[in-house]
Amino acid sequence: DAMVIQNPRYQVTQFGKPVTLSCSQTLNHNVMYWYQQKSSQAPKLLFHYYDKDFNNEADTPDNFQSRRPNTSFCFLDIRSPGLGDAAMYLCATSTPRAAQNEKLFFGSGTQLSVL
Amino acid sequence: QKEVEQNSGPLSVPEGAIASLNCTYSDRGSQSFFWYRQYSGKSPELIMSIYSNGDKEDGRFTAQLNKASQYVSLLIRDSQPSDSATYLCAVDTDKLIFGTGTRLQVFP
Repeated sequence: DAMVIQNPRYQVTQFGKPVTLSCSQTLNHNVMYWYQQKSSQAPKLLFHYYDKDFNNEADTPDNFQSRRPNTSFCFLDIRSPGLGDAAMYLCATSTPRAAQNEKLFFGSGTQLSVL
Repeated sequence: QKEVEQNSGPLSVPEGAIASLNCTYSDRGSQSFFWYRQYSGKSPELIMSIYSNGDKEDGRFTAQLNKASQYVSLLIRDSQPSDSATYLCAVDTDKLIFGTGTRLQVFP
């Protein structure tokens, strides 16, 4: 009964070869996030969707794109992966901010390796 | 200046002891504070949230918040080897900002 599902769990791609990571949710949450987490570092927010409204973090590289075709699904596209893009990619969802009650629900993550 | 700071550790405590994890943050306007536990290779798991100054207890876990001093802490009583993980502090400003985490090791 996983609520935020990420596929695949492990992804290997080649330098420069486009790759897509997927996330789906059964919680019907309005907000979906993509975080990048490198080894021993904090999760770093790449972008988020509030419904269909896309919000890009200022320092997210142009190499990273996202799509949210409907409430349940969100995709992370890396157009030309570099070695520095190897990381754990975390998808998370939440309900809209309401009375200090915003909580993130994380998927299991996709560990991306770039060869 | 880092927005959320934590000592990376490792913090090593014997089984049964109290583990104390600390976090400081820079944005005085922050209103919501969270502690996540992350096992190696896994995604973060929310274990505590706190919004008001003082203590909040949940089982073996106690979160403490002091907004005037801009710090939040997590106490784990009766530490178990299964508590060994990285503990991430997260602070909600206009978005959730994570610290780099403190690695906790509980040895038998």
